[in-house]
Amino acid sequence: TQLLEQSPQFLSIQEGENLTVYCNSSSVFSSLQWYRQEPGEGPVLLVTVVTGGEVKKLKRLTFQFGDARKDSSLHITAAQPGDTGLYLCAAPKRTSGSRLTFGEGTQLTVNP
Amino acid sequence: DSGVTQTPKHLITATGQRVTLRCSPRSGDLSVYWYQQSLDQGLQFLIQYYNGEERAKGNILERFSAQQFPDLHSELNLSSLELGDSALYFCASSVGSLQGNGEQFFGPGTRLTVL
Repeated sequence: TQLLEQSPQFLSIQEGENLTVYCNSSSVFSSLQWYRQEPGEGPVLLVTVVTGGEVKKLKRLTFQFGDARKDSSLHITAAQPGDTGLYLCAAPKRTSGSRLTFGEGTQLTVNP
Repeated sequence: DSGVTQTPKHLITATGQRVTLRCSPRSGDLSVYWYQQSLDQGLQFLIQYYNGEERAKGNILERFSAQQFPDLHSELNLSSLELGDSALYFCASSVGSLQGNGEQFFGPGTRLTVL
């Protein structure tokens, strides 16, 4: 069973602070996705990382895939209230289809 | 807007009843996935269809069934509903079953409340 462990589970910070969210597993992944979800809405795909050591930037968000493709991190610089939401990492299970296995998520609250 | 549509947005029903949730995938996507999200379980994979055929099953109860039609839209049928079935149900779609990087695009979800 491939499990994705996210930490921290909850994070409450002030506007302007930096933060990092982690996604770890003992399994090697062919790719890993990060999603952001707001209450009552569907997850929105932020980024896909594929290559070990890969770094992708999306405005103030920086995503990194571990060298061994077992872990990933999401760093947000100068967080804003609009960044508030549930951040989920997910990885496809390539056997019999491509179902996504999700981490439990990090609930981020950015206070003005 | 992901391009995936789901109806209805909200559904309130009673225990023992049967409901049908509908999903239309993004244009060009052949795979449809159904997920259940509850407070204590997170996002759980239920079932996948690819071009009309069942491709993978997850933690889907026997009371639940799904199908994908020739026009690629999908329906999730939930029967003999129990209080514990109350959850958000999401549909997602992707280009293929084993193609690409596993990216899936999610619909806005159906919130099911069983009273």
